[in-house]
Amino acid sequence: AQSVSQHNHHVILSEAASLELGCNYSYGGTVNLFWYVQYPGQHLQLLLKYFSGDPLVKGIKGFEAEFIKSKFSFNLRKPSVQWSDTAEYFCAVNSGGGADGLTFGKGTHLIIQP
Amino acid sequence: GAVVSQHPSRVICKSGTSVKIECRSLDFQATTMFWYRQFPKQSLMLMATSNEGSKATYEQGVEKDKFLINHASLTLSTLTVTSAHPEDSSFYICSATQESGGHRNEQFFGPGTRLTVL
Repeated sequence: AQSVSQHNHHVILSEAASLELGCNYSYGGTVNLFWYVQYPGQHLQLLLKYFSGDPLVKGIKGFEAEFIKSKFSFNLRKPSVQWSDTAEYFCAVNSGGGADGLTFGKGTHLIIQP
Repeated sequence: GAVVSQHPSRVICKSGTSVKIECRSLDFQATTMFWYRQFPKQSLMLMATSNEGSKATYEQGVEKDKFLINHASLTLSTLTVTSAHPEDSSFYICSATQESGGHRNEQFFGPGTRLTVL
């Protein structure tokens, strides 16, 4: 069975600070990795995804993530956050075929202070 | 982009009644739809996978007779919570995959349905 662990449940940063949210997964086979964002009152939106190839993935709104296979990690980064990045962030995984439902981490609530 | 809608967005019902939630893919055909449940301040938990024209596949611990799923067309899946009880109160979210070139790799999420059972 797959599992996803997000290390930080609540993160508070000031604008322009750098961000890194941790995500580790547990699964023995090939995986697809995702980061989703949920802004207040809105539905889940895909930030970025990794299926294969370059382990450094660039997504929307200046976010990127790096897949480190040896560490079973897929950490999300952004060099300079904005107030509008305040949201809930979810790391998710499914198996390599891509046709399965997603296993989500518990989420990280990010608050950016102006 | 791919859009998924859900109806209703909120529903309040009495204990013992049944509630139907619709999930529609508005601008693409979705051969597979997924149903998730999200408790307050918690993550999404996969309930079931719904394939058009076949029976849904339920995750361990999810009662198939309580959560009836029908995927009658390539754009519509329904979740019916039968004989709802207060512990069924939750946020129900669907997602759909867009099959493209034989690859199903991104799920598009609906806005969710808040169910409150009194």
